[in-house]
Amino acid sequence: DTGVSQDPRHKITKRGQNVTFRCDPISEHNRLYWYRQTLGQGPEFLTYFQNEAQLEKSRLLSDRFSAERPKGSFSTLEIQRTEQGDSAMYLCASSPGVTSGSYNEQFFGPGTRLTVL
Amino acid sequence: SQKIEQNSEALNIQEGKTATLTCNYTNYSPAYLQWYRQDPGRGPVFLLLIRENEKEKRKERLKVTFDTTLKQSLFHITASQPADSATYLCALGRYGGSQGNLIFGKGTKLSVKP
Repeated sequence: DTGVSQDPRHKITKRGQNVTFRCDPISEHNRLYWYRQTLGQGPEFLTYFQNEAQLEKSRLLSDRFSAERPKGSFSTLEIQRTEQGDSAMYLCASSPGVTSGSYNEQFFGPGTRLTVL
Repeated sequence: SQKIEQNSEALNIQEGKTATLTCNYTNYSPAYLQWYRQDPGRGPVFLLLIRENEKEKRKERLKVTFDTTLKQSLFHITASQPADSATYLCALGRYGGSQGNLIFGKGTKLSVKP
């Protein structure tokens, strides 16, 4: 399977704990995005990488959230001191570089569903 | 602040009919608009992209229109099938500095009855 993969698919944690999610994009894609989606809402943009550089961060991304893409391949999203309001589906997407005709098309992974008790 | 609205939360139609979904936006000047399909518990899947200088795009049974004056996109599925039942999301995008930031609507849940 050459699509975007995310791990874990489900995470249940207690309030105050730290959690880390991983995203493996499509191998030739140099852009990687993180979104958050709650029930009945569309995905909300969190942050975006081009290769290893984090180019954009939403104001939704509080200081408890940090994302990395150290070698320009996989990415991790960490949430520190989780709160119940962090419960959501966390989606990762990737897209090819600007030389590709489909560079605006984002390919999404299956998501990680986080439940904070 | 920018706002994107999809006309209804749910749309129920009979198999074989044409489904028409609406996406309206305010306080934004997108360079392009995309439509995605999302099934329960899964990530969105890209369907179509239409740029600001394009009026219409087609792909098999799908058709998208984009009117930048009305700030509206219409998404049509002709000869609908029960397998088309899903949530459909529209998303606005720009080039340049904010090119990573897609703004999504809440989606319209389409149910196609046999």
